Amino acid sequence: QVQLQESGPGLVAPSQTLSLTCTVSGTSITSGSFHWTWIRHHPGKGLEWIGNIYYRGTSYYNPSLESRITMSLDTSKNQFSLNVNSVTAADTAVYYCARDQVANWGARRLDYWGQGTLVTVSS
Amino acid sequence: DIQMTQSPSSVSASVGDRVTITCRASQGITSWLAWYQQKPGKAPKLLIYAASSLQSGVPSRFSGRGSGTDFTLTISSLQPEDFATYYCQQTNTFPHTFGGGTKVEIK
Repeated sequence: QVQLQESGPGLVAPSQTLSLTCTVSGTSITSGSFHWTWIRHHPGKGLEWIGNIYYRGTSYYNPSLESRITMSLDTSKNQFSLNVNSVTAADTAVYYCARDQVANWGARRLDYWGQGTLVTVSS
Repeated sequence: DIQMTQSPSSVSASVGDRVTITCRASQGITSWLAWYQQKPGKAPKLLIYAASSLQSGVPSRFSGRGSGTDFTLTISSLQPEDFATYYCQQTNTFPHTFGGGTKVEIK
C-alpha cells in the first residue's frame, strides 16, 4: 500500500536550514497523476500549505515562504525533499508530506499523508 | 491568496447528533474543495474531495455540498470516533489554502 515517511532533524538552530525528506513507497513519484506536497501545522494553529513539486521538476511554493524554500526530487530513491533556510521560531511546526492526486477531470486531493515530524527551531 | 473561513470554530455535540460545518471562500472556487479530519497527534485524513465526492473507505454519514464560495460538511449521525478537528482546503488556485479548522467536541 502507499506510504509516506518524513525524516530529518527534530531540532534546528535559528538562522540555519531545515531539511526534510519524504520517502515514498507503494507508488512512484514519477507517476504523472501525482504532485508531491509539503504541509505544516503550527502548534495550536491550523494547517499551512507549503508547496508542491511534480516529477518533471516543476514546483509551486506558497508566496509567504517562497523566498526561503526549495523542493527537490530524487527519483532513484523515490524521495522528495524540502529545504527551508533562515529559520526562526515561527517555523516550529509539525511538517507533513502528502500525495496530491490530480484526476483527469480536475479534482485534486491529498489522499495519502506521512505521519508528520515535529521540527523545533531553537538554540 | 484565497482565504478560507470556517464556522463555527468549535461545536459541542452528542453521539447521534447531526453536525454541519461551513466553509466560505473569499472568491469563487467552483467545486474544488476538500475536507479533512484530524485527530490529536495524527495526520489529517481525507474525507471529501471536489466538494461532494466521498473518498473511498469513508463512512457514508459524511457528506459535502456546495459550489462557488459556500460549502458544507455534514455528519448525519455523530459517532464517538468522529470527535476531531475538521479542515476545508481549496484546490482551485495555488497556494491551496486551508480553513482555520472546526473542533467537534463531546457535549
